[in-house]
Amino acid sequence: EAGVTQFPSHSVIEKGQTVTLRCDPISGHDNLYWYRRVMGKEIKFLLHFVKESKQDESGMPNNRFLAERTGGTYSTLKVQPAELEDSGVYFCASRKGGEQYFGPGTRLTVT
Amino acid sequence: AQSVAQPEDQVNVAEGNPLTVKCTYSVSGNPYLFWYVQYPNRGLQFLLKYITGDNLVKGSYGFEAEFNKSQTSFHLKKPSALVSDSALYFCAVRVVGLEYGNKLVFGAGTILRVKS
Repeated sequence: EAGVTQFPSHSVIEKGQTVTLRCDPISGHDNLYWYRRVMGKEIKFLLHFVKESKQDESGMPNNRFLAERTGGTYSTLKVQPAELEDSGVYFCASRKGGEQYFGPGTRLTVT
Repeated sequence: AQSVAQPEDQVNVAEGNPLTVKCTYSVSGNPYLFWYVQYPNRGLQFLLKYITGDNLVKGSYGFEAEFNKSQTSFHLKKPSALVSDSALYFCAVRVVGLEYGNKLVFGAGTILRVKS
């Protein structure tokens, strides 16, 4: 069974540009989560999808972040326009029953 | 509100010695506690969890964790460290309640360095 995959693994963009991160969950997992770790800090929850619906987006930092999960399969997280403080590692996780299975993360660097 | 504290940024231990990575938590209600590990250039991997039952939980790679309700702690332990255990370790608590969707609250992480 394939695990959670994320693309790209690393992205370097300039302040003001747009970046789109992608997450492919484990097949059949209805629950999909986005988390972010800013350098040296704790991993923080961003939002939670159940199928294509946003269940909880209380962790989204501001309206420059837009997450979608059309069709209830893969999800995208767009940052537009990117700011320096958006730099960090963005993790995606999926869940069917109990455990959350995490992807390798996307390291975003905004210069 | 739920929170997790990992008081040590880094733990250094010699290979073959026992290791402990500390975690304390604050939750309302019964805690659902987890340990995850991140190896270099890899994603977070589940190590073990405590939901209920025996306070000593055994997990992957020979790790175990002890739930202590009175001290609100969930320290990760291993009797004999390996160099390959060197990684970043995260403690987490699950926010219980359907309205929270089982999201996790993490600590800041502890770097474990095992030297030969």
